[in-house]
Order: sequence, then C-alpha cells, then structure tokens
Amino acid sequence: DSGVTQTPKHLITATGQRVTLRCSPRSGDLSVYWYQQSLDQGLQFLIQYYNGEERAKGNILERFSAQQFPDLHSELNLSSLELGDSALYFCASSPRGGNYNEQFFGPGTRLTVL
Amino acid sequence: DQQVKQNSPSLSVQEGRISILNCDYTNSMFDYFLWYKKYPAEGPTFLISISSIKDKNEDGRFTVFLNKSAKHLSLHIVPSQPGDSAVYFCAASGNYGGATNKLIFGTGTLLAVQP
Repeated sequence: DSGVTQTPKHLITATGQRVTLRCSPRSGDLSVYWYQQSLDQGLQFLIQYYNGEERAKGNILERFSAQQFPDLHSELNLSSLELGDSALYFCASSPRGGNYNEQFFGPGTRLTVL
Repeated sequence: DQQVKQNSPSLSVQEGRISILNCDYTNSMFDYFLWYKKYPAEGPTFLISISSIKDKNEDGRFTVFLNKSAKHLSLHIVPSQPGDSAVYFCAASGNYGGATNKLIFGTGTLLAVQP
C-alpha cells in the first residue's frame, strides 16, 4: 500500500459526458502528478501540482483539467469524453516538487467510455 | 517521439537465475532514472533509482547500472523469484528548469519467472 488513494476504482460512462477522478496523496506529500496509461502504452505524464499550484504540464488535452485543493487532494476533470479517453488514470505523489525523488503511485482509476 | 525505450516487451527467466531488463533513452537532459514494478490491477511500485552521478546502485537483489555515454540503463535481479513476475517500467526525469519531477516512462517489459 503506497498511501496514495484514488476514487473511484472503476468508472463507466458514455461519450460526451464529464467525469471527475479524485486522488489523496500520501500524508505530508505536497506534490501530486497525474498519468494516463492507454492500452499497450506506457504511462504518459499529464500534469503536476505542487502545494496547490500547477507546476508542469505534459500531454494533457484541453478537455482535461485538474486542481489541487488546500488539503492537498487533487481532482482530474475529463469532459466531452471520447472513446479514446478510455484508459487507466494514475495519481502519484512525492514529498517535494523537484527532481531526484521517487513518486508513489495510487492503484489507479479505470475509465471506460462507451 | 519515445524518449525512453524498452525494446523487449517480454522476458522469461528460470527461478534462481539472473533477470536483466534493459532501457535506452535519448534525451541528454535526463539525470535521474527509476525502475517501477507493476502487477495487474495495481499502481506502479517504486523499486530502485539512480542519479547520473553514479553508474551503479544496489538494493538487495536489485541492481541498476547506468551507462551515460551509451544512454543505457539496466536492471539486474539476482536471484529471480516467481514473485518478481510483473511488468517493469523504466522512467527518467531531468532538470527542465522548472523544478518539476515529471517522469517519462518506457512502455514496459513483462518479466515471467518460471519455477
């Protein structure tokens, strides 16, 4: 158990809909990262937050957005969903925002868009 | 453009023997490398890391070797155990100037350790 929690575990929805994925980092960790793993793909970095502020953006679509709240939990919002958005979405956390420290991953949310 | 490459999608090894997983990278900005293990229906679990100032880091049965000139790293598992059967991801991060720690992952290698 990494100490990172994600809800829900599974999500099934229809095209065009909007969903929110939630992540609670390990106690004391200030940085939260979101990754997407599509079929046969490695994990793709989406976005990083550090202590409530956006720190870095990766291959995140404009239809996706995220935020980190004062209690440090984070939410990833996916809107106008398409079939290709079906994937595993992982959240990770680390104590600090900079380099040279490992990230601890949650169990993931499996999103299925029908 | 795949900046971190794991060219072997799968590897099968006998229990007790050495498992060697390989990873190549292209971006010279990368200066910190990590290996993660992933079981089905779970998130990746951190195994071991190495910074670019070193060429070897060891933790129990796991050793990571870094060859900067070849932009290549490898993970050695000795001795291999059936419980090591999982997907192994290589990841890299670099000094992008924004104090970020985003990880760039390879596509993974499925290791099967046969009893």
